[in-house]
Amino acid sequence: QITLKESGPTLVKPTQTLTLTCTFSGFSLSTSGVGVGWIRQPPGKALEWLALIYWDDDKRYSPSLKSRLTITKDTSKNQVVLTMTNMDPVDTATYYCAHRPGSGPVDYWGQGTLVTVSS
Amino acid sequence: DIVMTQSPDSLAVSLGERATINCKSSQSVLYSSNNKNYLAWYQQKPGQPPKLLIYWASTRESGVPDRFSGSGSGTDFTLTISSLQAEDVAVYYCQQYYSTLGITFGQGTRLEIK
Repeated sequence: QITLKESGPTLVKPTQTLTLTCTFSGFSLSTSGVGVGWIRQPPGKALEWLALIYWDDDKRYSPSLKSRLTITKDTSKNQVVLTMTNMDPVDTATYYCAHRPGSGPVDYWGQGTLVTVSS
Repeated sequence: DIVMTQSPDSLAVSLGERATINCKSSQSVLYSSNNKNYLAWYQQKPGQPPKLLIYWASTRESGVPDRFSGSGSGTDFTLTISSLQAEDVAVYYCQQYYSTLGITFGQGTRLEIK
């Protein structure tokens, strides 16, 4: 079955760069059409899509955050990495990675990791 | 960006009664070549990731109770829970996955028991 798990720091300081890793199993990111994305959710607030990377290395970013985000994949390790620069307290959120099968909706989600931005 | 707007923001319904949540997209999410609406609904309970309920606007995900149904086309969509159960208390989100630029979510609708 498909599983995803996020890992990374729980606390970062303002202006620092956040690096999160999504380690997945049950599918391959070299399979045609498959994608992995990152979505975040500030405490008590709505879901916000951040980035997607596809099997062919096509990458998509949220227009409002594009300048701060980089998404990469390591197919051999079944991992996707998201970096976000210049972190601010408003970036405090639970960060989820998720599986997207081709042109369909995100269907499987990780449990999420809470990242707090504070000095 | 396709903007998704849900209504209402919160909703209180009696057990056994019908709950209806609306979602409007700023542009059509109907793809004419396959006649599919690229619209999904998710349920999120506290401390959990979202769970996919409905995709292609009206197709129930495997294992989702049939009291959940989705309808609509183009820019206007509805999630209906035909007979509210206690375990349906959650926040519900719509999501468009039509745009090649990326996906977007509605702001969420909080569903409670009256």
